[in-house]
Amino acid sequence: DVKVTQSSRYLVKRTGEKVFLECVQDMDHENMFWYRQDPGLGLRLIYFSYDVKMKEKGDIPEGYSVSREKKERFSLILESASTNQTSMYLCASISGGLASYEQYFGPGTRLTVT
Amino acid sequence: GQSLEQPSEVTAVEGAIVQINCTYQTSGFYGLSWYQQHDGGAPTFLSYNALDGLEETGRFSSFLSRSDSYGYLLLQELQMKDSASYFCAVRDKNYGQNFVFGPGTRLSVLP
Repeated sequence: DVKVTQSSRYLVKRTGEKVFLECVQDMDHENMFWYRQDPGLGLRLIYFSYDVKMKEKGDIPEGYSVSREKKERFSLILESASTNQTSMYLCASISGGLASYEQYFGPGTRLTVT
Repeated sequence: GQSLEQPSEVTAVEGAIVQINCTYQTSGFYGLSWYQQHDGGAPTFLSYNALDGLEETGRFSSFLSRSDSYGYLLLQELQMKDSASYFCAVRDKNYGQNFVFGPGTRLSVLP
């Protein structure tokens, strides 16, 4: 079974704090993604990575950064958390190749910034 | 650019059939996917259409018509456990081969 795990299910942070969200997948997938999900907006891509140490901006990268030092691990960093970053954060992975179409999602981290 | 549209909510009764539509605007994509997400859970993959036509997987079927920029997910013999949100998604050739998701359709199945 493909498994994508995220470091926390629920997280409460204060405005201005630096926040780390970690994602680990165990299927040797090349591609990993960070999305945020807000009601009525679907899933919006923050950052993605096609390989170790590679990263590309998605639709809404402002206020976020990422790190991929190992193939199985993709971290999302909120440099200085703000209340408008309160959201559900979902990590996903998929094997390489354009024929791949099934993304595997982690359980999500619900982040509240107060 | 790319965008996908879905109805925000659909309600049906147990045992019924429901169709969730997805229309999209993109100049090129590899295929249309569908995901299911229960409240508090992660999206899980349901089906994929690379080519036009109908794909059937048990009680669920998915359809794609590239010429009409349209697809749908068909759920038959509805069960209470089908109450969830359903998202369509495309892997867009003009978007770095990344996935673009629709806003989601919340399906409520009533007894």
